[in-house]
Amino acid sequence: GNSVTQMEGPVTLSEEAFLTINCTYTATGYPSLFWYVQYPGEGLQLLLKATKADDKGSNKGFEATYRKETTSFHLEKGSVQVSDSAVYFCALSTRYSTLTFGKGTMLLVSP
Amino acid sequence: EAGVAQSPRYKIIEKRQSVAFWCNPISGHATLYWYQQILGQGPKLLIQFQNNGVVDDSQLPKDRFSAERLKGVDSTLKIQPAKLEDSAVYLCASSRRDTGAQETQYFGPGTRLLVL
Repeated sequence: GNSVTQMEGPVTLSEEAFLTINCTYTATGYPSLFWYVQYPGEGLQLLLKATKADDKGSNKGFEATYRKETTSFHLEKGSVQVSDSAVYFCALSTRYSTLTFGKGTMLLVSP
Repeated sequence: EAGVAQSPRYKIIEKRQSVAFWCNPISGHATLYWYQQILGQGPKLLIQFQNNGVVDDSQLPKDRFSAERLKGVDSTLKIQPAKLEDSAVYLCASSRRDTGAQETQYFGPGTRLLVL
């Protein structure tokens, strides 16, 4: 079956630090890959996505590259802000299945 | 455009009581999803509707959970009777059509349920 594994949190960084949140997946078929973000008290929001190997998704300074050879989709940002503090979820979907989520990684950014 | 609406935002009940959650998807979205998100975990799909038909309810505990989408628009998820382990956030999402490689799901704010 499909599964997503992401690094455990919390990830604690100072403002302007570099961020990496690791995500690896197992899937049958050719999945699309997503990063969703959940701010405190809010619903999930799509942050970025990639639909085929070597695609790079990007949004709000975040980016992730679909690596088929390593079955990975790591999230990166060059300089985090306090407002980036949230829970980040890696997820996949395939032609025949809906979203499968990882457990989420909490990011805490201090001034 | 207006986002996915859910109510109530919070609910506290005793075990063995019943509870219902409501969701109104984005206008024109054919597909509606209900997810359960237990604290510390990612959302898990409970049921998926395409218009008013059920596409996938394989992970819905049918002995206590039920859901309907009678007119292909808004939807209700019910739990009867509730158990302690049902304490979670219940998320509703919608997408334009059946999910596929290109489709994006839009999530509501969720209903936080606490069963005592």
